[in-house]
Amino acid sequence: AQSVTQLDSQVPVFEEAPVELRCNYSSSVSVYLFWYVQYPNQGLQLLLKYLSGSTLVKGINGFEAEFNKSQTSFHLRKPSVHISDTAEYFCAVGRGNQGGKLIFGQGTELSVKP
Amino acid sequence: EPEVTQTPSHQVTQMGQEVILRCVPISNHLYFYWYRQILGQKVEFLVSFYNNEISEKSEIFDDQFSVERPDGSNFTLKIRSTKLEDSAMYFCASSERAPSPLHFGNGTRLTVT
Repeated sequence: AQSVTQLDSQVPVFEEAPVELRCNYSSSVSVYLFWYVQYPNQGLQLLLKYLSGSTLVKGINGFEAEFNKSQTSFHLRKPSVHISDTAEYFCAVGRGNQGGKLIFGQGTELSVKP
Repeated sequence: EPEVTQTPSHQVTQMGQEVILRCVPISNHLYFYWYRQILGQKVEFLVSFYNNEISEKSEIFDDQFSVERPDGSNFTLKIRSTKLEDSAMYFCASSERAPSPLHFGNGTRLTVT
């Protein structure tokens, strides 16, 4: 069965510092990868997606992620974070033979401090 | 930008009661989903729905749960006899095709007392 592991449950960082949120997945078939952000008391908002093509994908709010098939990873990065980036971030994976169903990781709470 | 809307935003019910959570997916989307998130835990897949039938369901989605698309716009999740452990945030989502990103609503917080 496929699974998604987000290695850090909490990531505290100072404003304007770079950040990387790690995500690893397990699947033996081709996958589609997503990062979602959840602000307090809100739904899940798509940050970026990898469906095919370039392994470096850029998303909203200055975030980017790199699909690494050999390491089965899809880490999320931002070179300089803002206070407003404080939120919960979820990595999700889907498989082509499973329709649109996504499996989510446990989430990483990003806390940006001034 | 079109969005998925869910009602109500918060539902309180007594154990054993039936609840219906409502969702209006994005109009040209063909795939519909329900997920839940128990407080402090991960987002869990419940069920996917395509072409007027369930395409996949998780172990969580037992006989107490059902989904329906009663008309061309609504997508509902019914829990027949709620249990305390059903307390969670329930998210509806839709997608244009598969695979493609899921668009989520803001959720319904269900509290079972």
